[in-house]
Parts: sequence; C-alpha cells; structure tokens
Amino acid sequence: GAVVSQHPSRVICKSGTSVKIECRSLDFQATTMFWYRQFPKKSLMLMATSNEGSKATYEQGVEKDKFLINHASLTLSTLTVTSAHPEDSSFYICSARSRTSGSSEQYFGPGTRLTVT
Amino acid sequence: DQQVKQNSPSLSVQEGRISILNCDYTNSMFDYFLWYKKYPAEGPTFLISISSIKDKNEDGRFTVFLNKSAKHLSLHIVPSQPGDSAVYFCAAPVGGNAGNMLTFGGGTRLMVKP
Repeated sequence: GAVVSQHPSRVICKSGTSVKIECRSLDFQATTMFWYRQFPKKSLMLMATSNEGSKATYEQGVEKDKFLINHASLTLSTLTVTSAHPEDSSFYICSARSRTSGSSEQYFGPGTRLTVT
Repeated sequence: DQQVKQNSPSLSVQEGRISILNCDYTNSMFDYFLWYKKYPAEGPTFLISISSIKDKNEDGRFTVFLNKSAKHLSLHIVPSQPGDSAVYFCAAPVGGNAGNMLTFGGGTRLMVKP
C-alpha cells in the first residue's frame, strides 16, 4: 500500500521557537494532504487541507499564522509551528490523498509528537 | 457540533469473544464510512469501509454494519485477539469521497484480555 512518512517522529523544543514537521508520500503523488492534531485521549481534529501549489485551507479556530503549511511538491507538505507554546504540545498527523487506479483514498503518516517546554 | 459520534470511550472484551464498536452520525448526506485503528504514538491505519449502498461489508474477522435509517454503524471483530487492543475511530468523508477531509468520531479504546 501507499506509504506516508513524517519527520521528525518526536521533537522537543523550547517555548518561543519554531518547529517544522515534514510529511512525505513515498511512493505516490499526493495532490492533497491533510494535517490533523490529536490531543491526549481525544479524537483527531482536522487542522487544514493542503493542495499542491496553492494556499492551505484552514479549519475554523486554527490560526493560519501560527501553523504555517507549505505544499511545495506532489510528495511533500510541511507544517511549521511558529513561536510554539506549551499548549501546542500535541500529536500531529498528516494524511495524503492518492489517486491510483481510479481509487481515491487517504493514507496516514505515523505522526509527530511535539513537546514544548 | 460533532457529526460523527462514538459514545463508548472504552470497551473491554475477552479474547475469542466478539467486540462490537458503535458509531452514530447526524449528517444524512454522509454516504461513505471508514474505520481506522490507532495504536498509541502512531498514525491511524485503515481497517474497513462501507458505502451507503450496502448495509454490510466483511473482511476477515472484521465486519461493518450500516443502518442508514438509524444513522448508525457498527464494527464487529470476531474472534477478538489481544493484538486488536487499540483505539478505533469511525470516520466519514465530507462530500462522500474517501479522499476528502475526514470527520472523526471520538474513538473507542478496545482492550482485549487474554
């Protein structure tokens, strides 16, 4: 099946710094990537939808200036958490939409655990 | 307002027995549903899906049932195995295309006891 990777898998940063998380589709082209956030013992919350070559569409309540998303190529999307604060500590997961053989599915990355101290 | 709901946050089942995970939805426009399994500190993995033109879809030990009139679906796992212990999310794509953004239920933590 299609593989999506995320890097790093775990990151600890100091409050006020910025952190970049990469999401890559390894063996397929992803015209659309989605970024989710999961709080402890909570469901996955969609943050934004990222289309290659265009601006991301953010969900209500998600600060676009704080969570910068770039989808520069068909295999890479990045999420940058700017001026991170402890409340940004969370598990961030990306998914990529593949169009192969007429099907259209989402494939999830393994997630990135962000801890802001 | 959450459009997909899983009202049971946890479920404990004995190995070999059946696990039944439930999911309710409010949007009658939803016509495709997916179940994902998630281990701690990992991304969700796709388990099984069902289109609204069906009321049942089976894949090995996993069967999903859809009751459109009740806006309810359930995932049956039989026989349950300890390796099935995980959090299970039901999800529906906005717009009916599995590649669209998904709205998730709150998840149900399944614990299968050996």
